[in-house]
Amino acid sequence: AQSVTQLDSQVPVFEEAPVELRCNYSSSVSVYLFWYVQYPNQGLQLLLKYLSGSTLVKGINGFEAEFNKSQTSFHLRKPSVHISDTAEYFCAVSDPYSNYQLIWGAGTKLIIKP
Amino acid sequence: EAQVTQNPRYLITVTGKKLTVTCSQNMNHEYMSWYRQDPGLGLRQIYYSMNVEVTDKGDVPEGYKVSRKEKRNFPLILESPSPNQTSLYFCASSRDLVDTQYFGPGTRLTVL
Repeated sequence: AQSVTQLDSQVPVFEEAPVELRCNYSSSVSVYLFWYVQYPNQGLQLLLKYLSGSTLVKGINGFEAEFNKSQTSFHLRKPSVHISDTAEYFCAVSDPYSNYQLIWGAGTKLIIKP
Repeated sequence: EAQVTQNPRYLITVTGKKLTVTCSQNMNHEYMSWYRQDPGLGLRQIYYSMNVEVTDKGDVPEGYKVSRKEKRNFPLILESPSPNQTSLYFCASSRDLVDTQYFGPGTRLTVL
């Protein structure tokens, strides 16, 4: 069965610095990949998704992610973070062997230091 | 405004007292789902529904029931809540399985 690993539970970074949040999944079969963001005391909302095509995906709020099939990774990046990016970020992968149900990572808390 | 609503937002109850958390979406979405979120575990799917009258178990269905009698509503029922069901619950909907999921604001449940 598919599994998703977000290696870092927390990532502290200074404001205006770049950030990368890592996501690896277990199976190399064709998958769909998602990043969702959860701001404090809110529900989740989609940042970006990869379904097919270009491996570099651009999302909202200046975030982008790169799909790397050989490394089964879908890391999220932003060149310059802002205090408003403080949130928890979740990577999710659809599992074609489970009727494309979403398998979620444990989440990474992005902590922006002023 | 397109949205998913959940009620109540906060609930404190006691072991064994049946409760229902409502979920409603106004986007005419076919697919709806319930998740629970626990620290360090991410989101775990409880139940999902592909369309009206079709529901199926997710990863952690024990102790929960759902029904999908109409497209817009997908209530979550805890017949006999226990303390291990204390959690943050999210309802979500989407057009289909691989489309963007839209989440409700969450229901924080405490079972004493």
